[in-house]
Parts: sequence; structure tokens; C-alpha cells
Amino acid sequence: AQSVTQLGSHVSVSEGALVLLRCNYSSSVPPYLFWYVQYPNQGLQLLLKYTTGATLVKGINGFEAEFKKSETSFHLTKPSAHMSDAAEYFCAVMRGGSNYKLTFGKGTLLTVNP
Amino acid sequence: EAGVAQSPRYKIIEKRQSVAFWCNPISGHATLYWYQQILGQGPKLLIQFQNNGVVDDSQLPKDRFSAERLKGVDSTLKIQPAKLEDSAVYLCASSAQGVVETQYFGPGTRLLVL
Repeated sequence: AQSVTQLGSHVSVSEGALVLLRCNYSSSVPPYLFWYVQYPNQGLQLLLKYTTGATLVKGINGFEAEFKKSETSFHLTKPSAHMSDAAEYFCAVMRGGSNYKLTFGKGTLLTVNP
Repeated sequence: EAGVAQSPRYKIIEKRQSVAFWCNPISGHATLYWYQQILGQGPKLLIQFQNNGVVDDSQLPKDRFSAERLKGVDSTLKIQPAKLEDSAVYLCASSAQGVVETQYFGPGTRLLVL
């Protein structure tokens, strides 16, 4: 079985500060990894995904994430937070051969202070 | 390109009543998903359709939940009878047919069972 752990249910940063949202996964085989963002009263929007190839993945809105197999991690970063980044962020894992089913973490709420 | 449409956006019912949610996926998307998102948790897959066939319904409470996707396009999720613990946001997503395709989410239906 695969699972996703997001460390910290709530992260608060100042505008302009580094954003770091942590995600660790457990999977018996190398998985596909995703970060989604959810704004209030909206559905989820894909930020970025890792499938194969380069382990540093760049996404929308200046976010990026690095797949580290040895650490089973896929942390999300952004060099400089903007007020519009305030939202809930979900890490998800998909294992090939599992009907490509997404398993989500519990989410991290990011607040950005002026 | 139109996104995933869902209706209604909000629904309040009393326990033991029935309720139905509707989803219209992105045109041409073969795969359709229904997720349940309980407050404070990540989305959990309830059922996955490939065209009009069920691929995975292992986490669907079949004694009270049912879903169909007639003609391989839009889909309906029904709960009968509803329980208090069914209060959640029900998200519909769709993806094109292929390996590790991005899932596109609708805005969700927020259900409150009293």
C-alpha cells in the first residue's frame, strides 16, 4: 500500500519569504508524484508532477519540487511567497499499475502574512 | 476549453434522505473520477470510470452509494440513505486516456447532512 505524509498541517510565512511544504511518501515501487493546490471553494489545480527524468520539476506560479528517492521525499518550494499563494496544498502519489489511482496527503494550509 | 462542471454546488439534507450529484467532464476525456473530501483531509477516490465501465470502486460504500456514467460522458453519484458522516465535498475529476494523465477537477459539491 502507498501513503503520503505531509509534515505540518499549517505553514505560515511572510510575503517574500521562502515557501517550503514537505511531503514524504511510502511506496513499494517508484511512484509518480504530484502537487495540487486548492483555493477556497474551488476544485484542485495541478501545480506540477514528476513522472520520469529530471528530478527537479518546475510548475506553475513559480513553484518547484525535487524528487529524492533516497529520502522518499517530494518537497514543494517557492523562493518568494506572494499573498496570492495562500491556499491549501496537497501532495499525491500514483503508482503505475494501480489503475493510476491518486492517493492524497491530508494537505497543508499555507497562509502568507503581509 | 470548458472545465469540469458539477451541480449543485451546495446541498443540505437531513439524514436518511437521498441526494444526487451530477458531473460533466471535459469533452473527450475518457476517464472520470469521483472523490470524497472530508473537512481536514485530502480527497479520497470513491469510483473511477473508463468510458462507461467501472475501473475501481473499492472504496465506494456500496450499501448506500451508487454511481453511473451513461454513454461514457456525464456521471451521477447518488447517496441513499445519507448519514451524518457523509457530510463532505464531492469532487469530480476527468482525464484523457493515457499513462499518468493529469486529472482536472471540478469545483465540487458541498454536502451537509443534518
